[in-house]
Amino acid sequence: DIQMTQSPSSLSASIGDRVTITCRASQSISNFLNWYQQKPGKAPKLLIFAASTLKSGVPSRFSGVGSGTDFTLTISSLQPEDFATYYCQQSYSTPSITFGQGTRLEIK
Amino acid sequence: EVQLVESGGGLVKPGGSLRLSCTASELTLANTWVTWVRQAPGKGLEWVGRIKRKTDGGTTDFPAPVKGRFTISRDDSKNTLFLQMNSLKTEDTAVYYCTTIYVTQNYYYMDVWGKGTTVTVSS
Repeated sequence: DIQMTQSPSSLSASIGDRVTITCRASQSISNFLNWYQQKPGKAPKLLIFAASTLKSGVPSRFSGVGSGTDFTLTISSLQPEDFATYYCQQSYSTPSITFGQGTRLEIK
Repeated sequence: EVQLVESGGGLVKPGGSLRLSCTASELTLANTWVTWVRQAPGKGLEWVGRIKRKTDGGTTDFPAPVKGRFTISRDDSKNTLFLQMNSLKTEDTAVYYCTTIYVTQNYYYMDVWGKGTTVTVSS
C-alpha cells in the first residue's frame, strides 16, 4: 500500500494566520491526492480533489498544490470555523486508497 | 440534497456479526460507486470496502484486514447498501461511514458522507 505521511501532526495557530500542511506519498501518485476536513464528532468533508481543485462551495482561502510525492494544503487566513483535523488521501492506487494520519489544527 | 444515512451499529462480542445499512436520498445507490470508511476511536481514517455501480459490474473490493470477513450487498428496491461484518474483532471497533465515490479517468474522491454509525466489539 502507498503510505501517506502528513506533517505536522498538530499545529497551533491564530485567527488570520496563514497555515500550510504537508502530505508526502511513499511513491509517486501523480495528482491523485484529495484533502478532507473533519470536525469533532462529524464526518469528514471533501475540500480539494486532484491535488488543487477546490470543491464547489469551499472557501477560496483553501488551496492545494503538488504532484508526484509532495503536496501541500494552505489556508491563507485562518477563520474560527477552520479549526479541525485535516486528512490527505491518495486515490492513485484504487481500490486501496490510503489516508494520511491527520493534522490537528488548534487555536493558539 | 443528497444524503446518506447509516444504521445498524451497536455492541457486539468478539466473533459476532453485525450488518450495517446505508440508505440514500436524492441518489440512486445502484448507479453509484460507494465505499465504507471507518475511524477507530481517536484514530485516522481507513477504507474497509467498496462496491462499484451496477453498470461497472457491481463488484466489491476489500482490504486485507477485513477480506473474507466483510461483504457488501445492495437492496435496490430500498435504495440501501449493506456492510455485513462477520467474525468481528476488537480492532473493528470504530465509527463506520458510508460515502459515495466520484470516479472518472482523472478523479477519484469521496464526495458525500453519511454521519456514521458506531460499532463496538467488546466482551
